[in-house]
Amino acid sequence: QPVLTQPPSVSGAPGQRVTISCTGTSSNIGANYDVHWYQQIPGTAPKLLVFGDNYRPSGVPDRFSGSKSGTSASLAIRGLRAEDDADYYCQSYDSSRGGLVVVFGGGTRLTVL
Amino acid sequence: QVQLQESGPGLVKPSQSLSLTCSVSGGSISSASYHWSWIRQPAGKGLEWIGRIHANGRTNYNPSLKSRVSISVDTSKNQFSLNLGSVTAADMAVYYCARWGGNDQGYYFDYWGQGTLVTVSP
Repeated sequence: QPVLTQPPSVSGAPGQRVTISCTGTSSNIGANYDVHWYQQIPGTAPKLLVFGDNYRPSGVPDRFSGSKSGTSASLAIRGLRAEDDADYYCQSYDSSRGGLVVVFGGGTRLTVL
Repeated sequence: QVQLQESGPGLVKPSQSLSLTCSVSGGSISSASYHWSWIRQPAGKGLEWIGRIHANGRTNYNPSLKSRVSISVDTSKNQFSLNLGSVTAADMAVYYCARWGGNDQGYYFDYWGQGTLVTVSP
């Protein structure tokens, strides 16, 4: 089971706004470790979308934004476009098993209707 | 532009070892600023971090795989490698190599290889 919990799927119509949640515990997100988000178009490698909770790499539209509070983080996508149809993964770190371990969420499939 | 490329056998027999290599171009694997990681993804499932290595040889592994995993680096070839022992069907996945780097906003996987599918079958 993934350490970070994401909804399996979300959907929205073009132009709408959707959010994807990423829920952790006090040993990962709640310990104030950074949360990063990746977009994966099926059949391709993941691509960094948001880093450090709410920063975007060069080239990522400002339609994508991240936030974090307590033991959860969220990715918001506004002005949905057809090309946003993809899988989204959150990533952080966990300290519950000795040392710092990279952990991912189970992924959320975004369907643009 | 940094590029990573995985290579290795696409078919491994159960109980044998899986060996993959990641070739890095467009940047030096010896840079002190980065670590180099392996991540896998079973078909239809999510991402699982396997481990990482720095050019100085220091490694860090996922505790769930630690007893079977070894990651090494060859700075002369600008490559790093994964060895996973005693494979089973549960190890069938697309294996990605990725660069782990960052700044004050944390460390993250900023460059990824295209991935290579490893099948476990007699």
